[in-house]
Amino acid sequence: AQSVAQPEDQVNVAEGNPLTVKCTYSVSGNPYLFWYVQYPNRGLQFLLKYITGDNLVKGSYGFEAEFNKSQTSFHLKKPSALVSDSALYFCAVRDSNAGNNRKLIWGLGTSLAVNP
Amino acid sequence: GAVVSQHPSWVICKSGTSVKIECRSLDFQATTMFWYRQFPKQSLMLMATSNEGSKATYEQGVEKDKFLINHASLTLSTLTVTSAHPEDSSFYICSAPEGGYEQYFGPGTRLTVT
Repeated sequence: AQSVAQPEDQVNVAEGNPLTVKCTYSVSGNPYLFWYVQYPNRGLQFLLKYITGDNLVKGSYGFEAEFNKSQTSFHLKKPSALVSDSALYFCAVRDSNAGNNRKLIWGLGTSLAVNP
Repeated sequence: GAVVSQHPSWVICKSGTSVKIECRSLDFQATTMFWYRQFPKQSLMLMATSNEGSKATYEQGVEKDKFLINHASLTLSTLTVTSAHPEDSSFYICSAPEGGYEQYFGPGTRLTVT
């Protein structure tokens, strides 16, 4: 079965420190992987995606993520956290075997708190 | 990036009434749109896939007669919550895939049923 796991409900990090938000996935075919961010009472904003090619992908606001096929992971990272990065982060996957079905499978979200 | 709008951004209605939420893709055409529901501090729950020109596809456990979806055109999908009850109070979000692989999300609609 297709699934996404975000093992941490909350991540706390001090401003200026590196941050990592973890994501692992399970799909039958090759994964299309996504990270989205949600600020309070707002919709989701696209951060980055992995479809194919380089395992390290760079996205908006200085975020990056590394696709690791052997570990079935797609952890979100940023070298130096900002207080304004505090938000809810969602990892999602789409199975390449799904054809025209563009439905995403979502993780439960990780709340990131960056402390000044 | 592509822009998706939702209207209204928030609505308060009385129990037993119906509420319509609109989702529009402003600068692209969307043959498919997705409707999500989100409870406070919780993940997204996909409710249904809205398909232009055909019936919506509902996820298991979602009452299709209660949550009516109409994909009226290539830029508009509507979600109508019929005979709303307080337990329907939630944050409703729509999204649409555009061209590539990612989806673009509307800003959400906060529904409160009193």
